[in-house]
Amino acid sequence: QQQVKQSPQSLIVQKGGISIINCAYENTAFDYFPWYQQFPGKGPALLIAIRPDVSEKKEGRFTISFNKSAKQFSLHIMDSQPGDSATYFCAASVPKTSGSRLTFGEGTQLTVNP
Amino acid sequence: KAGVTQTPRYLIKTRGQQVTLSCSPISGHRSVSWYQQTPGQGLQFLFEYFSETQRNKGNFPGRFSGRQFSNSRSEMNVSTLELGDSALYLCASSLGSDEQYFGPGTRLTVT
Repeated sequence: QQQVKQSPQSLIVQKGGISIINCAYENTAFDYFPWYQQFPGKGPALLIAIRPDVSEKKEGRFTISFNKSAKQFSLHIMDSQPGDSATYFCAASVPKTSGSRLTFGEGTQLTVNP
Repeated sequence: KAGVTQTPRYLIKTRGQQVTLSCSPISGHRSVSWYQQTPGQGLQFLFEYFSETQRNKGNFPGRFSGRQFSNSRSEMNVSTLELGDSALYLCASSLGSDEQYFGPGTRLTVT
């Protein structure tokens, strides 16, 4: 059962533009939502994470927006750069009861054109 | 601090063989999780170890097993390899249960 659905599957953005990736979840027990960035041949790298008690979190050019009632969260990459071209994964977990078990979305391949 | 390290980085095995992969977590991290990444199924959770005890297990057959040592290093073993086991196997470590940091992975090819 796919509990975290991610869209779009691929995204092409011009340099300087805003990249937006969306995720929706089913399990209302999820209470930790990280985003990971993965380059070819590398492991996923933790970008930014949010808990449901806040609606937005910003770190540099990366912002997570969280909508608890809609069970959706999204990643916004401002001023997108060619170096941001990578695959992005959203994930969710219930640390209190399921430890470190992450449920991942399908991934979004982002291409930023120069 | 050194990151998560995994050995070997690449491995080619034949159907029916078994394989052992190793993971060294970030110093001080007591939780180690294993994930399988394939183009078709994406990133799927295998199991998690915390202080030498399996704390969580995903939906994989019993051919997949793991263990954790007193120094938090972890190994995972896959017995009776199948072609479908070809994947990138990722290890992640964390202090407790939230922020997880991944290693570079072991690319396993089964022929």
